Amino acid sequence: NAGVTQTPKFQVLKTGQSMTLQCAQDMNHNSMYWYRQDPGMGLRLIYYSASEGTTDKGEVPNGYNVSRLNKREFSLRLESAAPSQTSVYFCASRLTLSKTEAFFGQGTRLTVV
Amino acid sequence: AQSVTQLDSHVSVSEGTPVLLRCNYSSSYSPSLFWYVQHPNKGLQLLLKYTSAATLVKGINGFEAEFKKSETSFHLTKPSAHMSDAAEYFCVVSDSGSTLGRLYFGRGTQLTVWP
Repeated sequence: NAGVTQTPKFQVLKTGQSMTLQCAQDMNHNSMYWYRQDPGMGLRLIYYSASEGTTDKGEVPNGYNVSRLNKREFSLRLESAAPSQTSVYFCASRLTLSKTEAFFGQGTRLTVV
Repeated sequence: AQSVTQLDSHVSVSEGTPVLLRCNYSSSYSPSLFWYVQHPNKGLQLLLKYTSAATLVKGINGFEAEFKKSETSFHLTKPSAHMSDAAEYFCVVSDSGSTLGRLYFGRGTQLTVWP
């Protein structure tokens, strides 16, 4: 049981380049999330998908787009990368909407130069 | 609105001494509360969770936390620190209100354990 799988693990982009971070879960969870982690800021929510077919903005959505491709997959796209998007990105999934815990991927370390 | 405040950004203890990591929350609805641990360059692992059952919750690796509604607190404790406990810890709140599905993270507490 792989849990939550993120690809890639590391990426270096030039300013203005685009890329998509992939996330897949095999736990049949309804909700999926994208967070970014920056030193001293904890984890900040970029976008989330409460269920298949829905997506909502979190705290820091600017510069990002998401797609909930199906129940398993939730991708995060940077259309025109900026140095401020240098961060560690975590995908998470959760079975239901209230009392259950979230499961996290291992993270993607993105550097924009 | 929901929010989480971790009262200490850094905590340092000696090996074998107690650990206390403090967390206060605000929630408009009946909250679920979680503590996660993150070791360097790793993902987040669940330590324990409170979901309206017993107020004293036991987790992995000897950690426990007590939900105190009157104080809106969910502090994490461990009787005796081990070197392997050195990591960053996050307090997280979720509620059953209008923003279903969202989790709210504190900014984290970095725990250092001295030999």
